[in-house]
Amino acid sequence: AQKITQTQPGMFVQEKEAVTLDCTYDTSDPSYGLFWYKQPSSGEMIFLIYQGSYDQQNATEGRYSLNFQKARKSANLVISASQLGDSAMYFCAFERGNTGFQKLVFGTGTRLLVSP
Amino acid sequence: DTAVSQTPKYLVTQMGNDKSIKCEQNLGHDTMYWYKQDSKKFLKIMFSYNNKELIINETVPNRFSPKSPDKAHLNLHINSLELGDSAVYFCASSQAGPSEQYFGPGTRLTVT
Repeated sequence: AQKITQTQPGMFVQEKEAVTLDCTYDTSDPSYGLFWYKQPSSGEMIFLIYQGSYDQQNATEGRYSLNFQKARKSANLVISASQLGDSAMYFCAFERGNTGFQKLVFGTGTRLLVSP
Repeated sequence: DTAVSQTPKYLVTQMGNDKSIKCEQNLGHDTMYWYKQDSKKFLKIMFSYNNKELIINETVPNRFSPKSPDKAHLNLHINSLELGDSAVYFCASSQAGPSEQYFGPGTRLTVT
């Protein structure tokens, strides 16, 4: 079974600094996808960024980028120029490819606190 | 316009009762899901439906029964509620294939 590991239960960063949230995964599948979701204190799950295993370039979405190191099986989320509104739980999720239907396996999450 | 909606947002009930949570999506997606988030924030898939057909059932107790009357709706019925069922339940939807899942706002279920 696929396993997703987020080793940082909590992270602190100052406003305007960059922060990296770690995510490693364990799979023998050649085709898969990696997702990051944000869950603010209000509780909703917000999609941030997606990386496919065959994508040649690291995914970027505005201030979010994914540092994808396939050989190391890591997919770290980098948030640049942190804002107070970035304070939230962040979840990494794994999806096996070529199944036709998605089944996301989530990590345990990292709580990010951005201070002024 | 709300993409994925759930009702109710909060549900407080006693052990042994039967309750339902409703989910609707207006995104035209073919696939819908139910996830459970426990008190430690761990999210785990429960069910997935594609075009009204059950495709994923993650060893959830029989007391949980999803029903999809059409591909825009996926309801979750829970019989004989137990204390351990207290959690936040999220509905989500997506297109088939590798694409992001859109989550509903969640339903916080508290069993007393």
